[in-house]
Amino acid sequence: AQSVTQLDSQVPVFEEAPVELRCNYSSSVSVYLFWYVQYPNQGLQLLLKYLSGSTLVESINGFEAEFNKSQTSFHLRKPSVHISDTAEYFCAVSVRIQGAQKLVFGQGTRLTINP
Amino acid sequence: DVKVTQSSRYLVKRTGEKVFLECVQDMDHENMFWYRQDPGLGLRLIYFSYDVKMKEKGDIPEGYSVSREKKERFSLILESASTNQTSMYLCASRPTSGGAVQYFGPGTRLTVT
Repeated sequence: AQSVTQLDSQVPVFEEAPVELRCNYSSSVSVYLFWYVQYPNQGLQLLLKYLSGSTLVESINGFEAEFNKSQTSFHLRKPSVHISDTAEYFCAVSVRIQGAQKLVFGQGTRLTINP
Repeated sequence: DVKVTQSSRYLVKRTGEKVFLECVQDMDHENMFWYRQDPGLGLRLIYFSYDVKMKEKGDIPEGYSVSREKKERFSLILESASTNQTSMYLCASRPTSGGAVQYFGPGTRLTVT
């Protein structure tokens, strides 16, 4: 069965420091990959996605993620974080199961930015 | 912009009550989903629907049922609420075409006492 593993449940960093949130998935077939962000007391918002093409994808607020097929990873990075990046981040893989396209989510990583 | 709304942000119910959580999307999406979110477990799929009156079980359907009488509305029903159903419930929708991106509502935090 497909699964997604986020290796860190919590990541504390200082403001303006770089950050990497790790995500590994298990799948033997082609997948779509996503990072969603959940700000406090809100629903999930799509941060970025990999569907095909360039393995490096970027978001409008400075995050990027690289699809690495050989390592089955889709790590999220930002070179310099801001207080407003404090949120929970979910990695997800879209798979087709019994004819239906579904998302399988990781456990989430809580990113805390300290001033 | 896609808009997915959920009927309540916070809900408190008693054990044994029948609970209805409503979700409405305004983008004519064929597919709708109900998840529950618990700390350390991420999001787990309860039920989904790919068309009106159609429903499929997700990974944790026990204790839940759903209803989809109209395309824009997907309801989650807890027939007899229990304390282990205290959780955050998230609804999402997705068009059949469009790269598998799901759009989420703000969530309903349900407490069962």
